[in-house]
Amino acid sequence: AQTVTQSQPEMSVQEAETVTLSCTYDTSESNYYLFWYKQPPSRQMILVIRQEAYKQQNATENRFSVNFQKAAKSFSLKISDSQLGDTAMYFCAFMNQGGSEKLVFGKGTKLTVNP
Amino acid sequence: SAVISQKPSRDICQRGTSLTIQCQVDSQVTMMFWYRQQPGQSLTLIATANQGSEATYESGFVIDKFPISRPNLTFSTLTVSNMSPEDSSIYLCSVSGRQGVKETQYFGPGTRLLVL
Repeated sequence: AQTVTQSQPEMSVQEAETVTLSCTYDTSESNYYLFWYKQPPSRQMILVIRQEAYKQQNATENRFSVNFQKAAKSFSLKISDSQLGDTAMYFCAFMNQGGSEKLVFGKGTKLTVNP
Repeated sequence: SAVISQKPSRDICQRGTSLTIQCQVDSQVTMMFWYRQQPGQSLTLIATANQGSEATYESGFVIDKFPISRPNLTFSTLTVSNMSPEDSSIYLCSVSGRQGVKETQYFGPGTRLLVL
């Protein structure tokens, strides 16, 4: 079974600075997807970024980018120019390609952006 | 991304009663899912709602406790039956397959349930 590990329960960053959230996963599959979701205090789960395992190029979405290291099974999220609205729980998630589309989530990292 | 609504947004219920949560999507989707998020925890998949057939439940979740319906490609319900305080959680539906975009899930706003 796949597992997703987020080793940083909480992190903080100053506004406008850069922060990196860590995620590692365990799988024997070759083809899969990885995701970062954001859950602000409103509790809405928001998709931040998606990475396809067969793509070597790291995904980016505006201020959000990932460092995908397939051999190391590592998938970190970098947030540049942090904003107060980035304060949220961040969940890393794994999905097998071509299967049930089940998402397996990590335990989350609580990020606080300080003014 | 899909526009997904859930009703109710929150509720307070007495133990032993049941609550049905609705999930409505603004367009047809291939897959619909139900997740539970217990206080301070991550999300756990309850089941995949299959259109026109019985839902597929994950280990630890059973149909008698969490009956699910999916009568069409835009709507699903989750019932939490014979509730106990341990059922107090946020329940979220998610969808994938909207406009042909597969293997990417978008979530509804969630239903916050408190059982007394």
